[in-house]
Amino acid sequence: GAGVSQSPSNKVTEKGKDVELRCDPISGHTALYWYRQSLGQGLEFLIYFQGNSAPDKSGLPSDRFSAERTGGSVSTLTIQRTQQEDSAVYLCASSPFRGDTQYFGPGTRLTVL
Amino acid sequence: GENVEQHPSTLSVQEGDSAVIKCTYSDSASNYFPWYKQELGKGPQLIIDIRSNVGEKKDQRIAVTLNKTAKHFSLHITETQPEDSAVYFCAAKWRANNLFFGTGTRLTVIP
Repeated sequence: GAGVSQSPSNKVTEKGKDVELRCDPISGHTALYWYRQSLGQGLEFLIYFQGNSAPDKSGLPSDRFSAERTGGSVSTLTIQRTQQEDSAVYLCASSPFRGDTQYFGPGTRLTVL
Repeated sequence: GENVEQHPSTLSVQEGDSAVIKCTYSDSASNYFPWYKQELGKGPQLIIDIRSNVGEKKDQRIAVTLNKTAKHFSLHITETQPEDSAVYFCAAKWRANNLFFGTGTRLTVIP
């Protein structure tokens, strides 16, 4: 079946602009995660959604970052007033209810000029 | 939160040799330990995982061992092949919902 998909695959923006990154999880998966991967680094947790519960936003680095998940499926990560240090690959993952295994999408490479 | 350390950061082996990557974690409450393989330009792909009630798990050429007392776990790849070249990440799941990742090991298999 279809895996996790993300769009766009690449995004180049100017400093100060807002960007939206999209994630389509595996159908039926109730949990959705966003991670950030900076060059040569591991994955840094950003935010977690589980069903209709309040999201766990503990990993968001600043109030410029926000995310929504509409209808328990598609999620959008928004970065406002982008900064050069926001340049990274943003990865989305999903997992089934009460499942530990997380399945990752291909990521969106964000470059802030 | 959890802290996961991974070593080595780079590893080169001859084709056919074995490769071992080691990770340590800080929180004894962690109970799930996956390993991911990430190829250039792609997202991480799960290759094997182990839970805290098991000491070892094997899947063909890949095995993972877990030592709960010492709080470390290792990935073993035998009979390495060029297509095993990638970045490998270990992770641990703490009482929270998200995974805590190591910083990755770049494995190069030399033909």
